[in-house]
Amino acid sequence: EAGVAQSPRYKIIEKRQSVAFWCNPISGHATLYWYQQILGQGPKLLIQFQNNGVVDDSQLPKDRFSAERLKGVDSTLKIQPAKLEDSAVYLCASSLEGGQNTEAFFGQGTRLTVV
Amino acid sequence: GNSVTQMEGPVTLSEEAFLTINCTYTATGYPSLFWYVQYPGEGLQLLLKATKADDKGSNKGFEATYRKETTSFHLEKGSVQVSDSAVYFCALPTGGGNKLTFGTGTQLKVEL
Repeated sequence: EAGVAQSPRYKIIEKRQSVAFWCNPISGHATLYWYQQILGQGPKLLIQFQNNGVVDDSQLPKDRFSAERLKGVDSTLKIQPAKLEDSAVYLCASSLEGGQNTEAFFGQGTRLTVV
Repeated sequence: GNSVTQMEGPVTLSEEAFLTINCTYTATGYPSLFWYVQYPGEGLQLLLKATKADDKGSNKGFEATYRKETTSFHLEKGSVQVSDSAVYFCALPTGGGNKLTFGTGTQLKVEL
């Protein structure tokens, strides 16, 4: 079974530029998550989708971050404009559904460096 | 909200040594508890989980017991290998569903 695919693996941009990350979840997984992992910290949830609807985006900095999941499959996360503090690994995860005991599968992440 | 606190690393051990990584939690009710592992250059993988008090999760020689009396879920392994070198995260669901709150991670380095 193919895992969660993310691209690109690495990205370096200057502050105030924009960037987009792409995620393809495991086939059939209804729930998709984006997490931000700053160096030395645990991942922090940015947004959760159930199919193509947003379930929780309370931790998403909406003035600069946006995410969408068209057709309930692939998802993109965008940052515009980027700040230095956005340097982090952005992890995408998916699960069959959103129940508490449902395992979430993570992609390898996109490492963003803002200079 | 729910939260976890885990011991800071890095932890450096010799091969075949005993491993304990401490994790304590604060939660409403009795949520499932998880340990995730992140090997170098790879994404997070679920290592083990426990869904109720007194449950013991186990996988690849690692074990953790859900203890509600001490609100703990410590990770243990009797004999570590070099291949166990990774970052280990304790986690629990928060806000309903399976959105996860993670600890800060503990880096383990196993040397020959």
